[in-house]
Amino acid sequence: DAKTTQPPSMDCAEGRAANLPCNHSTISGNEYVYWYRQIHSQGPQYIIHGLKNNETNEMASLIITEDRKSSTLILPHATLRDTAVYYCIVRVGNQFYFGTGTSLTVIP
Amino acid sequence: NAGVTQTPKFRVLKTGQSMTLLCAQDMNHEYMYWYRQDPGMGLRLIHYSVGEGTTAKGEVPDGYNVSRLKKQNFLLGLESAAPSQTSVYFCASYGGYNQPQHFGDGTRLSIL
Repeated sequence: DAKTTQPPSMDCAEGRAANLPCNHSTISGNEYVYWYRQIHSQGPQYIIHGLKNNETNEMASLIITEDRKSSTLILPHATLRDTAVYYCIVRVGNQFYFGTGTSLTVIP
Repeated sequence: NAGVTQTPKFRVLKTGQSMTLLCAQDMNHEYMYWYRQDPGMGLRLIHYSVGEGTTAKGEVPDGYNVSRLKKQNFLLGLESAAPSQTSVYFCASYGGYNQPQHFGDGTRLSIL
């Protein structure tokens, strides 16, 4: 059973905020949500992670709903270099469960 | 600081041949992982290790073996390669304590 569900693709205009949703309805109380992205089949690149509080770093913001069944990754000002596949991941103990990802295309 | 290094980066094998993929990390991480990624799909866990001398099966372990003789190295072996094992293989390490997982750049393996 997939632990995360994401839309397969999204478009975003350059300079606008990109909001990438993820459903993780079976998540347990101590399981973290991580976001990674992958550009041109390179190794996945870490973006951000959180448990239940909203998180922000220099790359993005992570909004987790109060019931923790879903989250949204926000890229505040998307650039062409943000075009990539974005993975929402649930960490269960020491194992990381990848979904099939969302292919984000930033349009000029 | 190299992070996670995978060798080789590319390899072409014939069906039935064997080979070993090497992953090395310099972050003193306890946990290491091997994933495979097929076109248009996410990463699937093959095997992982929670420390030196330990290994465990992941989601798709059949046809692969692993060894973790040294903490910094995690080897993935294919004893008798099959075309279905054509894929991109990623190694990752994790230090625990809610840190991120760190990935190598991948090994692109084609089996003819």
